[in-house]
Amino acid sequence: EPEVTQTPSHQVTQMGQEVILRCVPISNHLYFYWYRQILGQKVEFLVSFYNNEISEKSEIFDDQFSVERPDGSNFTLKIRSTKLEDSAMYFCASIEGADTQYFGPGTRLTVL
Amino acid sequence: AQSVTQLDSQVPVFEEAPVELRCNYSSSVSVYLFWYVQYPNQGLQLLLKYLSGSTLVESINGFEAEFNKSQTSFHLRKPSVHISDTAEYFCAVTQSGSGNTGKLIFGQGTTLQVKP
Repeated sequence: EPEVTQTPSHQVTQMGQEVILRCVPISNHLYFYWYRQILGQKVEFLVSFYNNEISEKSEIFDDQFSVERPDGSNFTLKIRSTKLEDSAMYFCASIEGADTQYFGPGTRLTVL
Repeated sequence: AQSVTQLDSQVPVFEEAPVELRCNYSSSVSVYLFWYVQYPNQGLQLLLKYLSGSTLVESINGFEAEFNKSQTSFHLRKPSVHISDTAEYFCAVTQSGSGNTGKLIFGQGTTLQVKP
């Protein structure tokens, strides 16, 4: 069964450093998403991406964040200058149509 | 805008007992409703969903949920739980219809703790 994959599974970085989280969505899916889950809190929407552009973003998704689909398979989330409060689990998801989102296993980001 | 409230942060229950995890939502437009499950150290897996049609939806592992439009609820139930059902359960909504970007709004999550 096709699945969404994410790398790395765990990323540790120093405050102020740039990080890139990578996702490979399911191949025939057209819509892509990033969510985050701070430890002990609910899952929060960050951004949606369709047709090579952002279709919606949340208040969390400020100028420090960017997304890109550099080729036909990868979907990346970049945080330019990480803060302590960016420590969270980041989930990628993809969807074929207006139906079920399939989530990746997540990347745990730890900012020191 | 939509919002989701899961009224119970933790639900302890003994094995083979019935369980109900409550979910209420708020929306000015029609929505699709989902329950996702998160096992320890894993990602989110779809448990079941309501898009349209029959208001009672079922999963392959014995869970069911009923969409109640008048009460804006989508409670999750299972008549007899197993130890392996121990996990975090998230209720989520997304706006239905055209113009929807598909973003999911999640509730706070309910930890189901099944005890032997």
